[in-house]
Amino acid sequence: NAGVMQNPRHLVRRRGQEARLRCSPMKGHSHVYWYRQLPEEGLKFMVYLQKENIIDESGMPKERFSAEFPKEGPSILRIQQVVRGDSAAYFCASSPPNREAYEQYFGPGTRLTVT
Amino acid sequence: DAKTTQPPSMDCAEGRAANLPCNHSTISGNEYVYWYRQIHSQGPQYIIHGLKNNETNEMASLIITEDRKSSTLILPHATLRDTAVYYCIANNAGNMLTFGGGTRLMVKP
Repeated sequence: NAGVMQNPRHLVRRRGQEARLRCSPMKGHSHVYWYRQLPEEGLKFMVYLQKENIIDESGMPKERFSAEFPKEGPSILRIQQVVRGDSAAYFCASSPPNREAYEQYFGPGTRLTVT
Repeated sequence: DAKTTQPPSMDCAEGRAANLPCNHSTISGNEYVYWYRQIHSQGPQYIIHGLKNNETNEMASLIITEDRKSSTLILPHATLRDTAVYYCIANNAGNMLTFGGGTRLMVKP
């Protein structure tokens, strides 16, 4: 009964490159959330997706960031033309579709370092 | 989402119960109270949630006051591995979680 899986766990990119972060939700979960945690700060919501749909992207920066959750395969958070300020831990969470409270289960995170 | 207020830090002796308070005086009728914790550098871990009734699971107990304006998370026998930041969040089911500052619990031997 695997938990939420994220890869890579650590990612180093140079300024201007693209970063792709992957999240596989728990089995049977169809809701995925992405959060970002800057160094020494709290977690901030970025985007909420269900299969093939973006439900809420109010926390996503307007430029360079995109997310998808295709019918098959993991959810992808894509950051184009990374800058040093994108260095952070990115956490993905999933929740089951038919539970009353939709509690969220988090993955171990991807730590992105932009050099 | 309802705003929550928690003490910034607490200490607890190993083996004793840790009681973490949370104030959510503006909570609405359909908002749940969720508790999560984050052990250093790890992903947040779901602990427990409740709506009106007190709840207990293998990790903790959640006591919600009758007026729902505050709650207490109880770790019955704290261990060193329970040292973490504990977050109390009040929101509607399915919505994104809004993490505040939380309570930094230090369990001491």
